[in-house]
Amino acid sequence: KAGVTQTPRYLIKTRGQQVTLSCSPISGHRSVSWYQQTPGQGLQFLFEYFSETQRNKGNFPGRFSGRQFSNSRSEMNVSTLELGDSALYLCASSFGTSGRPQEETQYFGPGTRLLVL
Amino acid sequence: KQEVTQIPAALSVPEGENLVLNCSFTDSAIYNLQWFRQDPGKGLTSLLLIQSSQREQTSGRLNASLDKSSGRSTLYIAASQPGDSATYLCAVFSGGYQKVTFGTGTKLQVIP
Repeated sequence: KAGVTQTPRYLIKTRGQQVTLSCSPISGHRSVSWYQQTPGQGLQFLFEYFSETQRNKGNFPGRFSGRQFSNSRSEMNVSTLELGDSALYLCASSFGTSGRPQEETQYFGPGTRLLVL
Repeated sequence: KQEVTQIPAALSVPEGENLVLNCSFTDSAIYNLQWFRQDPGKGLTSLLLIQSSQREQTSGRLNASLDKSSGRSTLYIAASQPGDSATYLCAVFSGGYQKVTFGTGTKLQVIP
């Protein structure tokens, strides 16, 4: 069974640009969550999508957005990049059908490492 | 606001030792707690998930306990091996909107 895949694995952008990251969940999983990991703030929850709808959201500015497609694949977009957006972005998938995804094991992808110059 | 602390931040032990990693959280109204390991440059691997109604979970050489009233969880690793070297993170799921808060991690090094 293929795991969670994320593309690209590495990305370098400059301030002011925008970036789109992609996440393909494990087959059968309908919930996809996104996280940002930085040395200073640790791992922080961005948002969660289920059945093409954003179901939960963390405390990030509106520059961070996402979407989910009918095949459960998800994309995350960051507009007007800032130096502080440099981080490892992780996505995780789970079945999500219990209505309480936190009660399900989340499977994480390898992450996309974004560097903003 | 939920705060999650992991102590120690780093730990170095000789192979074969049993060890305990600690995770403390400030808000006891949690849904569940999950332990992960992260290898350098890689994503997270889920180790154990403890639901709020459970006291412990076991998987192989790993045992995780949860004491909601005291806001603590421990991850016990028996007979440590060099392959156990990684950063261990605990994640607490709480709040009305299924928010998750991660600890800062414990970096474990098992010396052959």
